[in-house]
Amino acid sequence: QVQLVQSGAEVKKAGASVKVSCVASGHTFTTDYMHWVRQAPGQGLEWMGIINPSSSRASYAQNFQGRVTMTRDTSTATIYMELSSLRSDDTAIYYCIWGRYFDYWGQGTLVIVSS
Amino acid sequence: DVVMTQSPLSLPVTLGQPASISCRSSQSLVHSDGNTYLIWFQQRPGQSPRRLIHTVSNRDSGVPDRFSGSGSGTEFTLKISRVESEDVGVYYCMQATYWPFTFGPGTKVDIK
Repeated sequence: QVQLVQSGAEVKKAGASVKVSCVASGHTFTTDYMHWVRQAPGQGLEWMGIINPSSSRASYAQNFQGRVTMTRDTSTATIYMELSSLRSDDTAIYYCIWGRYFDYWGQGTLVIVSS
Repeated sequence: DVVMTQSPLSLPVTLGQPASISCRSSQSLVHSDGNTYLIWFQQRPGQSPRRLIHTVSNRDSGVPDRFSGSGSGTEFTLKISRVESEDVGVYYCMQATYWPFTFGPGTKVDIK
């Protein structure tokens, strides 16, 4: 069983950046891909991108190109998602997910962007 | 991008009765490797989504057998044979055949 523990809620000003972390345990960190998905309040799910923890190579959805960076630290089995130039419509819960086919989800991190 | 649609968007059900959710994609989800990467998730109120079914019809470990997935090409269905109170929530289909991966809008299931 895989466990994913994400960092706590964040409140940011518009224009700032946020960096969310996700610590994985219960499996070999580098054996599969990991994703980030977000969910605005009362809304559906939006895929942001994918990272290969083994190679650190990441690919991003077009909507987030240029604003999002996904990285990893193999020594701590942690992946990070940094989103810059925050806007009010970036207010959402951000989820990390382990597995190429979205096997296990973290508990989510609420990011609130205020103007 | 592949557009995923679901119907209905709201589904009031009676406990113990069956329920069915339809999911359609704007193009065939058959991957070049022969698999069809259509996935169903359940999101209970206040919780993270949880994967129920992958590759159209393969139920995840721990998922009750009252849940089943079927379909092919562009049309897929999630069925609950007898709805229980713990099944209340939003159900999403998602395609993982083409990048970017895309989700359906969700179907809210609640009890009549």
